[in-house]
Amino acid sequence: NAGVTQTPKFQVLKTGQSMTLQCAQDMNHEYMSWYRQDPGMGLRLIHYSVGAGITDQGEVPNGYNVSRSTTEDFPLRLLSAAPSQTSVYFCASSTLTGFDGNTIYFGEGSWLTVV
Amino acid sequence: AQKITQTQPGMFVQEKEAVTLDCTYDTSDPSYGLFWYKQPSSGEMIFLIYQGSYDQQNATEGRYSLNFQKARKSANLVISASQLGDSAMYFCAMREAGGGADGLTFGKGTHLIIQP
Repeated sequence: NAGVTQTPKFQVLKTGQSMTLQCAQDMNHEYMSWYRQDPGMGLRLIHYSVGAGITDQGEVPNGYNVSRSTTEDFPLRLLSAAPSQTSVYFCASSTLTGFDGNTIYFGEGSWLTVV
Repeated sequence: AQKITQTQPGMFVQEKEAVTLDCTYDTSDPSYGLFWYKQPSSGEMIFLIYQGSYDQQNATEGRYSLNFQKARKSANLVISASQLGDSAMYFCAMREAGGGADGLTFGKGTHLIIQP
């Protein structure tokens, strides 16, 4: 089925460890993005990409790194995990000009705990 | 200043009643889109309804409708005949055409609980 696939769904990290959250879409979408959701908050944009080789920062980029080597994949890297990065992470993709709600697809979320 | 404001942190509603979830927004971009998402306890984000800033009519999708008042910068979600399965977090979000690459800006959400 078409959609956005995120892995892993759950992860526990120790402070200082690094890891990569994977995100893949098979809809040939130009636009991909990562959000984090903290308790009592809506989603906040971490990084986004408007196409292969192009990435930019969102609202809360510190401590995260991204790359976009292909249209399909947009991994999110935690360089040195901190407890403040305990959160639920969502990947989303859409057409670049898509202003129809139906063209924005979210992954199922990744629950990350940093101890 | 917040771009999306949801003033109801939580709501209790009797089953079968209609529900209105408030959302106000702030933008100077004439072209924008407004979205409502449902997030059940399982965590996934479920798209409900979309309203474009140039749409002449209020959006409707089944039991969901969007009360769009452009001059007041208001985009309230109306759920008719509420059901127990409607219990969830509801988020209002906006995407601006000028800053379209900046993604969606979300409100803090409303926790809706439907009581039998």
